[in-house]
Amino acid sequence: AQSVTQLGSHVSVSEGALVLLRCNYSSSVPPYLFWYVQYPNQGLQLLLKYTSAATLVKGINGFEAEFKKSETSFHLTKPSAHMSDAAEYFCAVKGVQGGKLIFGQGTELSVKP
Amino acid sequence: GAVVSQHPSWVICKSGTSVKIECRSLDFQATTMFWYRQFPKQSLMLMATSNEGSKATYEQGVEKDKFLINHASLTLSTLTVTSAHPEDSSFYICSASQASGTDTQYFGPGTRLTVL
Repeated sequence: AQSVTQLGSHVSVSEGALVLLRCNYSSSVPPYLFWYVQYPNQGLQLLLKYTSAATLVKGINGFEAEFKKSETSFHLTKPSAHMSDAAEYFCAVKGVQGGKLIFGQGTELSVKP
Repeated sequence: GAVVSQHPSWVICKSGTSVKIECRSLDFQATTMFWYRQFPKQSLMLMATSNEGSKATYEQGVEKDKFLINHASLTLSTLTVTSAHPEDSSFYICSASQASGTDTQYFGPGTRLTVL
């Protein structure tokens, strides 16, 4: 069965600092992987997705993630945090044969001025 | 592109009444739509998956007679919470994809339901 683990339910960074949100997955075969962002009282917005093409995926708002099969990881990064990046971030996995989208527990990102 | 809307964005109702929530894909045809429930500070819990013209597939533990899902067209799915009770209060989010299987899900803005 597939699963996703997000390390750290809350991450706090200073404005301008590197953002690193960790995601590890469990799957028998390389799956499809997604990062979504959720602002308060809103739905989820797709940041980026990995679908077995390039292992380094660039998304919106300056975010990117690297698929590392050897580490079963898909960590989300952004070189310089902005106040507007404060939100909840969800990593999700989906099998290549389809099936449900399995979400991690979420990581709340706070950005200090 | 890939915009999904939900209506209403929030609703307050009395215990025992029914509430209908609409989910629409505005600029694409959604073969498959999903309904999720989210409790405060928690992740999303999949309630059911619906394919246009077919009966919805409910996740284990979700009462299909309480949460009625209809996916009558390629752009509209509805979730009706029947005989709502305070414990049904939650944030309900729908998503839509253009095809079953591997396609990306695009999420609506969510509906906040409060049952008094």
